[in-house]
Parts: sequence; C-alpha cells; structure tokens
Amino acid sequence: GAGVSQSPSNKVTEKGKDVELRCDPISGHTALYWYRQSLGQGLEFLIYFQGNSAPDKSGLPSDRFSAERTGGSVSTLTIQRTQQEDSAVYLCASSLGQRGTEAFFGQGTRLTVV
Amino acid sequence: RKEVEQDPGPFNVPEGATVAFNCTYSNSASQSFFWYRQDCRKEPKLLMSVYSSGNEDGRFTAQLNRASQYISLLIRDSKLSDSATYLCVVNRRDSSYKLIFGSGTRLLVRP
Repeated sequence: GAGVSQSPSNKVTEKGKDVELRCDPISGHTALYWYRQSLGQGLEFLIYFQGNSAPDKSGLPSDRFSAERTGGSVSTLTIQRTQQEDSAVYLCASSLGQRGTEAFFGQGTRLTVV
Repeated sequence: RKEVEQDPGPFNVPEGATVAFNCTYSNSASQSFFWYRQDCRKEPKLLMSVYSSGNEDGRFTAQLNRASQYISLLIRDSKLSDSATYLCVVNRRDSSYKLIFGSGTRLLVRP
C-alpha cells in the first residue's frame, strides 16, 4: 500500500490477556516509531527502530511491553497481561530515517481493555 | 525537561484572527524541524517543514530561530477548519535521525 498500515484498527480485550498490534511501514522506510495516545493527551513515545534494531526503547512503560521488527519492515508491538491503563490509541509512524525527512503515521489501533 | 516543549493551550481565537505558536527544543544539534497537525481522533499529518530562512504556505508561516532554539508557526486569517492540535517535531543530528515530537498546542477557532 501507499501508506502506513496498522492492524487491527480496533481491539477490545479482557484484562490479563496478551495483545499484538501490527504495523506495516511505507516500503523503503528504515525508521519506524511507536507512540500511544490516551484520550485528550499528547503523543507518548514508546520505541524507535532503525532497520531491525531499536536504538531507543526508553518509552516502553513496563516489561509487559515489547516490540520487534523483522526484515526491516513489519513491526509488532506486544502487550502482555493487559491492564485497563493500557487502553489508548497506539500509533505507528515510519520515515526514510534521513535528515530532513518527515514521518508518516498510520491510522492507529484503538485498544480497549475491559 | 522535555526535549521539545510546547504550550498545550488551548488557544481560543475568533475566525479571521492571527495566532502564533512557539515551540522550544533543548538539543542544539537538532537539524530538521516540522509542524504537524492532528485532528480529533485522527493521526498526525505533516503540515509543513520549517526551513532556516523561514517559509510560507498560504496562510501559514513557519520560522526557525537557532540561536534561541525555538520554532514558530503563524496562522493568518484563521478558519474554523484550522481547529486542531499542532505538533512541533525536531530531528536530531545523530546517527539515528530520530524524530522527537512535542505534546502539541490545541487551537480552537470560534465563529
């Protein structure tokens, strides 16, 4: 596709379950970012990938959160033992990873933990 | 201290007004700068890049002040459709070129 694709668009899960969120970046984009946004709040940085490595994972809120990227393309964000405070929109963005290049966002995954 | 800081607002202005937002960044090695717009319940989208000499796109003007480490966005003749959150973004000069997002400034344009 032409843009960043995220799936699922909506996810409702029970507290304590694990969830996987997927991001397909724009082809050729080496940089990939995960953010989350709670209702009415700003973007909260989670993790940044350059290729398959994550030079900055400082935003992951706990060890229940992990992310990986394979083949320099698709990324998966996994949340284990979900809690209600994990409810938010999870946004993925990708960029060429070079100076002066902007990032393009997917439409996000709205996660609701009940 | 956050690396990129913005006044969260909201800025509440009448239609037709001129409004300006500032954003400060702490890393002097930052090289590239952008303004993004985010509508309610939507993903952020690029509004404009910010160039060293300043740049204009219709009613929108962006300025960069490297000495004081801030960028600004000026919106002239505000429209109701300009109501959104405006995010300031900087790109570090290091091996990774990571993009750092501010928390955003909310603008409300009233009739």
